[in-house]
Parts: sequence; structure tokens; C-alpha cells
Amino acid sequence: GENVEQHPSTLSVQEGDSAVIKCTYSDSASNYFPWYKQELGKRPQLIIDIRSNVGEKKDQRIAVTLNKTAKHFSLHITETQPEDSAVYFCAATTDSNYQLIWGAGTKLIIKP
Amino acid sequence: KAGVTQTPRYLIKTRGQQVTLSCSPISGHRSVSWYQQTPGQGLQFLFEYFSETQRNKGNFPGRFSGRQFSNSRSEMNVSTLELGDSALYLCASSLAGAEQTQYFGPGTRLLVL
Repeated sequence: GENVEQHPSTLSVQEGDSAVIKCTYSDSASNYFPWYKQELGKRPQLIIDIRSNVGEKKDQRIAVTLNKTAKHFSLHITETQPEDSAVYFCAATTDSNYQLIWGAGTKLIIKP
Repeated sequence: KAGVTQTPRYLIKTRGQQVTLSCSPISGHRSVSWYQQTPGQGLQFLFEYFSETQRNKGNFPGRFSGRQFSNSRSEMNVSTLELGDSALYLCASSLAGAEQTQYFGPGTRLLVL
């Protein structure tokens, strides 16, 4: 079955710098890759997603890239701000799985 | 549109008891998924329901069960509670399944003593 590995588990960056979180997946049939952000004490919320027919997607300071050949996708956050501090989860699924396979999460710390 | 709601928000139980948690999805959403989240852990998938049918189930013992009603509201039940069941239980709803945006509820925090 599908397996999603997420790295790093903790990432500390200076405010204003960029942050990159990478996930690798095992099932080449996976075709949907969302990223969720969970702030402390709050529920996870979708921040960006990408489908397998697209290589890159941007939304202001956030972007996701997908490399289907290497089976990995990455979250890029530019010009980080204190409110970016949270745990970020990647996930993957196929259209017949009825289940998101989640990465273990990355705790992003923004240093002032 | 009202968001996903979960009741109760907090529960304290003792070992051996059973518990039922409820999730009301966003109006029009037919898919409900349940997750267990423990401190420092990710989202462990329990099961997914769509139109009252369980379509997928995670690797949890049979003590964990669920159901979905015709109005898409869902419940999960844990019987014979163990200390290790202490966790935050999250439900998420979507229009039709995993390939669409999951809207999470606030969670039910369960403490087993």
C-alpha cells in the first residue's frame, strides 16, 4: 500500500527566510497531494494541494512542486512570518483509495 | 455555512468503559473520515464513511467502530477503553472523498484513566 515519508520532522528558520518541506510517496498511482497546516491547539486546514497532471502550483507565499518520476512533492514557503509557525502535514491518495495517506508532520518554527 | 462540529469536546473515562463520539459534517458533505491524533504524532486514519457505507478502515482493533446516518452525521464508538486510547479524535468531512478538501472538526479530547 501507499506510504508517505515527510522530512524534516522539525524545521527552524529565521523570519523572512524560506522553508522547504519534502514528502516522498510509494504508490505511483497516487494522483492527489494536499498540504495541511495545524496551528497549536487548532484543527488542520488545507493550505494548498496539487494533482498529478500539474507540476507546480502557487498561492502567494506558498507553492507546491510535484516530481512524479521521483515520486516526491515539496512545500515551499517564502518570506516566512511568525504566523507560519505550525505543524505541516503532507498527504497522498489515489482515486480509488477513499483514504488520505499522511506524512508524520513537520514542526516549523519561525525565529524572530 | 456552518463548519464541522464534534461532540462532546472533552471526555474523561476509565479503563474498560465505552465511549461514543459524534461528528456533524458540513451540510451537503457526504464523506466523513475519523482520525486519532496523539501528542507529537500524526493523523492516524480510523475509517471513512460515504452515504452510510464504510469504504475504508485503518489498522485499529475491532474495539473501534463507527457508523454514518442518512443525514451524513457520523459516530464512532470505542469499547473496552484502554489507557492508550487517550487522544484527540478528529473527524473531517468532504463532498465525496479523499481527493477533495477535508474540513476538520475541532476534535474530541478523550482522557482514559
